[in-house]
Amino acid sequence: NAGVTQTPKFRILKIGQSMTLQCTQDMNHNYMYWYRQDPGMGLKLIYYSVGAGITDKGEVPNGYNVSRSTTEDFPLRLELAAPSQTSVYFCASREANGNRDYEQYFGPGTRLTVT
Amino acid sequence: QKEVEQDPGPLSVPEGAIVSLNCTYSNSAFQYFMWYRQYSRKGPELLMYTYSSGNKEDGRFTAQVDKSSKYISLFIRDSQPSDSATYLCATRIGTASKLTFGTGTRLQVTL
Repeated sequence: NAGVTQTPKFRILKIGQSMTLQCTQDMNHNYMYWYRQDPGMGLKLIYYSVGAGITDKGEVPNGYNVSRSTTEDFPLRLELAAPSQTSVYFCASREANGNRDYEQYFGPGTRLTVT
Repeated sequence: QKEVEQDPGPLSVPEGAIVSLNCTYSNSAFQYFMWYRQYSRKGPELLMYTYSSGNKEDGRFTAQVDKSSKYISLFIRDSQPSDSATYLCATRIGTASKLTFGTGTRLQVTL
């Protein structure tokens, strides 16, 4: 299993540009999450999904959009990028129920700079 | 007030030292408590998991939860340079979808 994969690894955007961060998991997990991590600020939840077709806002959703058309994929869309969106973005997934439903599996992250 | 508070460090200790990392939380409804380890430029990975109060040991690592004082601890015995990482505590209410993370403590173990 590849686990959780994210592309791209790095990206530099100009202010006002748009982009999509890709996230794919091959563990058949129902739950998927997008976080951003700023230095010294921990992980902030942007959006999450409990299954295909179901998404919900987290703590910091403004400026982002998500969709979940399949179990495997959970892309994060940035519209009109702003310098405040400079961050490291992590995607994570977990199983819905079972012996290890407490464990979130994280991808390697996407480092985004908006200038 | 943040739901989970964690000293960001950095914490620097010599190899072989006992390390104590701590978090406090405010919501008494939290039932699941986790510690994630994050190496530089990597995603976090689960290190320890505890349900409700008590201790859990795994090799050199011990996780402790005191629900009466809303205090979470991670102890690392015989610390190694490979333990140098950021440690994030995380909590969850029941089977809720979301985790609440602390800000993380950066640990440096020196030779």
